[in-house]
Amino acid sequence: KAGVTQTPRYLIKTRGQQVTLSCSPISGHRSVSWYQQTPGQGLQFLFEYFSETQRNKGNFPGRFSGRQFSNSRSEMNVSTLELGDSALYLCASSLEGPGGGNTIYFGEGSWLTVV
Amino acid sequence: DQQVKQNSPSLSVQEGRISILNCDYTNSMFDYFLWYKKYPAEGPTFLISISSIKDKNEDGRFTVFLNKSAKHLSLHIVPSQPGDSAVYFCAASKGSSNTGKLIFGQGTTLQVKP
Repeated sequence: KAGVTQTPRYLIKTRGQQVTLSCSPISGHRSVSWYQQTPGQGLQFLFEYFSETQRNKGNFPGRFSGRQFSNSRSEMNVSTLELGDSALYLCASSLEGPGGGNTIYFGEGSWLTVV
Repeated sequence: DQQVKQNSPSLSVQEGRISILNCDYTNSMFDYFLWYKKYPAEGPTFLISISSIKDKNEDGRFTVFLNKSAKHLSLHIVPSQPGDSAVYFCAASKGSSNTGKLIFGQGTTLQVKP
């Protein structure tokens, strides 16, 4: 069965612009979460969506937002891009969430470079 | 506040020997732990997990041990193979709210020498 699919894989944006990243979870998975990976901060949780509702949120500014559609696909948006937003953005999906013993599976990531 | 810590940034072992990767956590509410393997510019690949009701879980060459009293877990890879060379992350979650939020350690780079 297909894994977690993220698009685009690579993109370059200019400071001040906005970007939208897309994620298609594994079929049947209802939880989608987003993570940011940078060399200095490691893997950090952005937010999680379940049944189109944001269920949990990390410590990121309001410029970072997301949504989930009825088919469980998710998008995240970053507005007013800053150089520090350059990172690998990872989407992950699971049936419910790790608390129920369900594993989180990651996509290949979207590599964002802000210039 | 680093709730999940991997204190060894790197580890080098000989092919065929055991690799032991360690992880410590501070939050006693964590009750589910996972290990991921990651190559540069790729997403993490799930390896193995363990619930806090267990102290050991085994899957092929990978075994995870959990010591709740010490808030410590470790991943054993036996025997180590050159293809195991990657960055390994441990992650933890609080299961009661059943969310998708994982707290990751900073990672340990494993090099397995032929």
